[in-house]
Amino acid sequence: AQTVTQSQPEMSVQEAETVTLSCTYDTSENNYYLFWYKQPPSRQMILVIRQEAYKQQNATENRFSVNFQKAAKSFSLKISDSQLGDTAMYFCAFMKYGSSNTGKLIFGQGTTLQVKP
Amino acid sequence: NAGVTQTPKFRVLKTGQSMTLLCAQDMNHEYMYWYRQDPGMGLRLIHYSVGEGTTAKGEVPDGYNVSRLKKQNFLLGLESAAPSQTSVYFCASSYSSTSGKPWGNEQFFGPGTRLTVL
Repeated sequence: AQTVTQSQPEMSVQEAETVTLSCTYDTSENNYYLFWYKQPPSRQMILVIRQEAYKQQNATENRFSVNFQKAAKSFSLKISDSQLGDTAMYFCAFMKYGSSNTGKLIFGQGTTLQVKP
Repeated sequence: NAGVTQTPKFRVLKTGQSMTLLCAQDMNHEYMYWYRQDPGMGLRLIHYSVGEGTTAKGEVPDGYNVSRLKKQNFLLGLESAAPSQTSVYFCASSYSSTSGKPWGNEQFFGPGTRLTVL
């Protein structure tokens, strides 16, 4: 069974600075997807970024980038130039890859990020 | 295009009461999911459906039932509510693995339902 662990329950960062959120996972699968979801106070889940395990290159989306270390089973999220609107809970999630995939996501416990002015 | 909607947004039940949460999506997605979110535990999958008329158990299915009579709707039922079912419930939907869409396609989430069982 797959597990996802986020060991930082809470973090804070000053506006305009950079912050990194950690995520580790455990799986015996070779092909899979990893995601970071953002949940602001509105409670709406929003996809931030995704990474295919078979791709060496780290995914980037504007100010958001990941450091994907497949051998270490590590998938951290870096937020550059933090903005007040980045204040949210962030979830790391895992999805198996394959024709029998049912799209199920395995979530970590979440990290609450507060961006301070 | 409303995306994924959930009804109701809030509900308070007494122990033993029953209720149904409705999820609707207008994106013609094949797959639909019900998750519950509890503090310190992230989101956990309750039940899911890979198509109209089909359902399957997820990680924490006990105490819940589901039905997918129409492709656009996915209902979550609590037959006899318990305080342990106090949680925030999220519905999500996505394309299927055979839809021709890219793998790892995004799951679209509803706004959630906050349920309190007294």
